[in-house]
Amino acid sequence: GENVEQHPSTLSVQEGDSAVIKCTYSDSASNYFPWYKQELGKGPQLIIDIRSNVGEKKDQRIAVTLNKTAKHFSLHITETQPEDSAVYFCAASRGFGNEKLTFGTGTRLTIIP
Amino acid sequence: KAGVTQTPRYLIKTRGQQVTLSCSPISGHRSVSWYQQTPGQGLQFLFEYFSETQRNKGNFPGRFSGRQFSNSRSEMNVSTLELGDSALYLCASRPDRDAQYTQYFGPGTRLTVL
Repeated sequence: GENVEQHPSTLSVQEGDSAVIKCTYSDSASNYFPWYKQELGKGPQLIIDIRSNVGEKKDQRIAVTLNKTAKHFSLHITETQPEDSAVYFCAASRGFGNEKLTFGTGTRLTIIP
Repeated sequence: KAGVTQTPRYLIKTRGQQVTLSCSPISGHRSVSWYQQTPGQGLQFLFEYFSETQRNKGNFPGRFSGRQFSNSRSEMNVSTLELGDSALYLCASRPDRDAQYTQYFGPGTRLTVL
């Protein structure tokens, strides 16, 4: 079955610096890659997603890149702020008709003021 | 629009008991998926329902079951609870229109098995 690896497991960055989280997937049929942010006591919240026909997507301070050949995708957060501190999860699925999301193991991001 | 709601938010049960968790999807969403989140195994897919039919199933024992009603609300049931079933159970809904892949998660039900 699908396997998604995520690195690093913990990440501390100074406020204002950039943070990068990387994931690799195993199922070549995967074509949808969302990123979720989970704060303490809450469910995962979608922050950005990308489909296999797109190489990069940006939304303000957040961007995601996808390399289908390498089966690799990354989350980039620029100008980090204290409220960015949370656990971030990458995920992969085959998309419509097969919505099962396979999640990475999560990255605990801490922003140091 | 109201988000995904799950009830109850917290639940304490003892081994051997059974439990039923409820999920109300976002209005207009017809697809509901369930996930289990534990510190050791992370987020794992349980099953997905659409139009009252189970469409996908994860690798969990038969003690885990679910159903969906005609109004798209869903329930999941765990019978003969084990200590290892202690987890956060998350429900996610999706519009299930072509090219609408995004799943929206509820706050979860925290189940503790003693």
